[in-house]
Amino acid sequence: GQSLEQPSEVTAVEGAIVQINCTYQTSGFYGLSWYQQHDGGAPTFLSYNGLDGLEETGRFSSFLSRSDSYGYLLLQELQMKDSASYFCAVRDGGGGGNKLTFGTGTQLKVEL
Amino acid sequence: DVKVTQSSRYLVKRTGEKVFLECVQDMDHENMFWYRQDPGLGLRLIYFSYDVKMKEKGDIPEGYSVSREKKERFSLILESASTNQTSMYLCASSYTSGRLYFGPGTRLTVT
Repeated sequence: GQSLEQPSEVTAVEGAIVQINCTYQTSGFYGLSWYQQHDGGAPTFLSYNGLDGLEETGRFSSFLSRSDSYGYLLLQELQMKDSASYFCAVRDGGGGGNKLTFGTGTQLKVEL
Repeated sequence: DVKVTQSSRYLVKRTGEKVFLECVQDMDHENMFWYRQDPGLGLRLIYFSYDVKMKEKGDIPEGYSVSREKKERFSLILESASTNQTSMYLCASSYTSGRLYFGPGTRLTVT
């Protein structure tokens, strides 16, 4: 089976940089995704790492180390609107290679 | 833009009722998923489908079944609703590469 671990809560100030870590144990692995979910909303896709290294999309970056079964999401120049829950998700090989198993989520609070 | 729609935003049902949750996507995606989301537990996969009439159990399939007769539509069925199935139900679709597109969710309350 799969298990993913990420911190339950992180607090940071506006303008700062925050890193949300995710470690995983899976029986098959194709890649790691990150999703953002605001209160009352649906999760939305942020990034995907299929290979080791850093992927950058604007203020957000995501990193993967397959040998360490570890990844992180880096948010720079934090804004109040970044307050949300962030989920890492492992893509394993089930069902044609697109099954995603989610972590329990990290609630990010951005303060003034 | 990809659009995933779910038949209801809020639903209240009684214990023992048969419940149908419908999901439709408009991007010709092969893969469709049903998750439930509960506080502190994240998103847990109930069932998914990678082709018409194909389905696979996720991590918590007990008490649920699914139907996919057409590519764009994926239905979740609660055969006999119970109070522990009170939850937020999220449908999603994808083509590939771990990128899921989620619907707005259905908040189901079973009394």
